[in-house]
Amino acid sequence: GENVEQHPSTLSVQEGDSAVIKCTYSDSASNYFPWYKQELGKRPQLIIDIRSNVGEKKDQRIAVTLNKTAKHFSLHITETQPEDSAVYFCAAILYSGGYQKVTFGTGTKLQVIP
Amino acid sequence: DSGVTQTPKHLITATGQRVTLRCSPRSGDLSVYWYQQSLDQGLQFLIQYYNGEERAKGNILERFSAQQFPDLHSELNLSSLELGDSALYFCASARGTGAYNEQFFGPGTRLTVL
Repeated sequence: GENVEQHPSTLSVQEGDSAVIKCTYSDSASNYFPWYKQELGKRPQLIIDIRSNVGEKKDQRIAVTLNKTAKHFSLHITETQPEDSAVYFCAAILYSGGYQKVTFGTGTKLQVIP
Repeated sequence: DSGVTQTPKHLITATGQRVTLRCSPRSGDLSVYWYQQSLDQGLQFLIQYYNGEERAKGNILERFSAQQFPDLHSELNLSSLELGDSALYFCASARGTGAYNEQFFGPGTRLTVL
């Protein structure tokens, strides 16, 4: 089955700096890669996603890149703010024959220091 | 508020017992996903239902079962509970079962097995 590795597990940055979180996946058939933000005690929320036919996608301070050949994708947060502090999860989704198989990474705890 | 509701919020029970967790999807959503999140762990995909039918299975134990009813609410049944089953259980709903359907997470049910 699919295996998703996520690094780093924890990340501390100064406010205003950039943060990068990387994920690798094993199944080349995976074709959709969402990123979720989970604040302490709250539900995961989708912040950005990328499809397998796209190399990069941006939404304000957040961007995601995908390298299908190397089977890795990354989340980039620029100009970090204290409210960006949370746990971030990547996921790889394989869609085939009308069903989805969802595999999440183990999460990155991001701390933005004011 | 994602529009997905889960009950109960908290559940404390003893080993060997059986519990039922309930999820109501957003209005119009036909897909329901169940996830387990153990302490300091990532999200483990358990099972997906679409319009009453099981669509995909993840790492769901044989002691666990789920169903989706005609009104589209779903229940996750956990039996012969063990200490290791203590976790936060999320359900998520999506409009359909297509590759790029965004999943909206409920607030979760925190299960404590003593």
